[in-house]
Amino acid sequence: QKEVEQDPGPLSVPEGAIVSLNCTYSNSAFQYFMWYRQYSRKGPELLMYTYSSGNKEDGRFTAQVDKSSKYISLFIRDSQPSDSATYLCALGGDKLIFGTGTRLQVFP
Amino acid sequence: NAGVTQTPKFRILKIGQSMTLQCAQDMNHNYMYWYRQDPGMGLKLIYYSVGAGITDKGEVPNGYNVSRSTTEDFPLRLELAAPSQTSVYFCASSSLGHENTEAFFGQGTRLTVV
Repeated sequence: QKEVEQDPGPLSVPEGAIVSLNCTYSNSAFQYFMWYRQYSRKGPELLMYTYSSGNKEDGRFTAQVDKSSKYISLFIRDSQPSDSATYLCALGGDKLIFGTGTRLQVFP
Repeated sequence: NAGVTQTPKFRILKIGQSMTLQCAQDMNHNYMYWYRQDPGMGLKLIYYSVGAGITDKGEVPNGYNVSRSTTEDFPLRLELAAPSQTSVYFCASSSLGHENTEAFFGQGTRLTVV
């Protein structure tokens, strides 16, 4: 069983749509939950992180963690073409494990 | 503000050759990681280190070796390169376990084995 599962997409949505990205994980030892954004031919950049169950909001982005279900989500409100990228969930403890990434395209 | 520096940026190797990918960080981070990313795929952890002198295998360690003699440097060694090792390699560092948990990535090394 993989430690983290993420739907690879691709996901194509119109500008202004609400986007929901999700990951499930199997190891309850992970303590930190993160979302990274990666543009083509670039290294990933941290978008949001949290270490507890619940919601964390930052502008148009909301990260949600449910430790009991081992489920993490990222919501993007009012999506923009500039949000087009690959979004990777990441789980941290001693090691840092990434999901496969979901490729998102927002069209005008 | 160097952050994480990886060298080289590009490399072509012949099957059976060896090479070392260099990674250095100047943020005094205790944690360092090596990942590979195949086209259209996520990052797979090769090796990681939680501090100088300590290394551990990740998800795909076969065919690679690492060392961590200093806090700053975390080189990745490929012995007997194979076509399956064609990939983009990313080094990252973080102070995971503390308040600031962001992992900073290098620009990547694009390796082709022919």
